[in-house]
Amino acid sequence: RKEVEQDPGPFNVPEGATVAFNCTYSNSASQSFFWYRQDCRKEPKLLMSVYSSGNEDGRFTAQLNRASQYISLLIRDSKLSDSATYLCVVNRDDKIIFGKGTRLHILP
Amino acid sequence: GAVVSQHPSRVICKSGTSVKIECRSLDFQATTMFWYRQFPKQSLMLMATSNEGSKATYEQGVEKDKFLINHASLTLSTLTVTSAHPEDSSFYICSARDLPEAKNIQYFGAGTRLSVL
Repeated sequence: RKEVEQDPGPFNVPEGATVAFNCTYSNSASQSFFWYRQDCRKEPKLLMSVYSSGNEDGRFTAQLNRASQYISLLIRDSKLSDSATYLCVVNRDDKIIFGKGTRLHILP
Repeated sequence: GAVVSQHPSRVICKSGTSVKIECRSLDFQATTMFWYRQFPKQSLMLMATSNEGSKATYEQGVEKDKFLINHASLTLSTLTVTSAHPEDSSFYICSARDLPEAKNIQYFGAGTRLSVL
């Protein structure tokens, strides 16, 4: 079993819709959690850190559930520019583990 | 946010050439930098962890004699692909972790696209 798992998608979602991704991690000792966004042929960019209390940044909401060992990302009122691959990232000790990413296509 | 500069952004070279890629943290000191490789439509694969002042830690299956890493200062790590071959063609990305390391946020360079003819 991979340490960080994501549904690869693609998720094809109409513009304006709400879309949610989940990511599961297998090691309960994982310490910090992030969502990154990667556009085609570009480097990953930090979208947001994820906390147990949940955090929101505009249309984006991230949540961590330590008991069930998953993190989620919710995008409201999706825009065409949200089309990208979303990477779940988990930090444990000194290791940084990337999920394989979930591809999102926002359809006009 | 923290900035990581990677250079060059694009390299086209002949088979057998060695290629050097630089990764610099511009506004913070990074004791640890990371080198990744990404093939088209594949996920990021960690190649090695570069530690300032000591030897890099390579992931399983990555040849340390082929991918030479030097982290001579707190702001610069270099990756040299020695005697590059067409199968080494890929997107190479570096990242650095901001201090204090408890933040654990990684910032990525813009990547180097290597094409070996």
